[in-house]
Amino acid sequence: KQEVTQIPAALSVPEGENLVLNCSFTDSAIYNLQWFRQDPGKGLTSLLLIQSSQREQTSGRLNASLDKSSGRSTLYIAASQPGDSATYLCAVYNTDKLIFGTGTRLQVFP
Amino acid sequence: DAEITQSPRHKITETGRQVTLACHQTWNHNNMFWYRQDLGHGLRLIHYSYGVQDTNKGEVSDGYSVSRSNTEDLPLTLESAASSQTSVYFCASSEGGGPDTQYFGPGTRLTVL
Repeated sequence: KQEVTQIPAALSVPEGENLVLNCSFTDSAIYNLQWFRQDPGKGLTSLLLIQSSQREQTSGRLNASLDKSSGRSTLYIAASQPGDSATYLCAVYNTDKLIFGTGTRLQVFP
Repeated sequence: DAEITQSPRHKITETGRQVTLACHQTWNHNNMFWYRQDLGHGLRLIHYSYGVQDTNKGEVSDGYSVSRSNTEDLPLTLESAASSQTSVYFCASSEGGGPDTQYFGPGTRLTVL
């Protein structure tokens, strides 16, 4: 059974720092991996989707990498801002379903 | 603009009552999904549909049902609400034809007393 783990569960950093969020999964037979952002009381917003054949994807200050063989993905956020404060979720597409991690709650303070 | 909406946004009900949560998408997506989100568990899949008249059970389907009579809607029904079903419920949709980006609704917070 696929399990997705995110470390750390919570992170607090000063504005301007570069930071890395980690996601690991137990079954490397995935179709793709998706990173989401969730603001308090809101739905999920898709940030990046990495196909299984890809190694990374970039969008603005965000860069996500995927290493299927080791069962890991990282989300790199450059020059963090207070507006980046949210919960970040990774999810792997295993057969025909998305399996979610429990998220990393990020706080960026001025 | 295309979107996915859920109603109601908040609902309080009593144990044993039947409750239906609505999900409506204007993306014309084939795939629709229902998840619940609880502290310590993340999002878990309840039911999903790959098209009209198609429904499938997810990881935590007991006590829930869905039906898909058209492309736009996938209502989620709690047959007899239980306190363990107090949660935040999210609906999502994707284009279909393979694993691709899912788009999420704003969620419904359900409290069962």
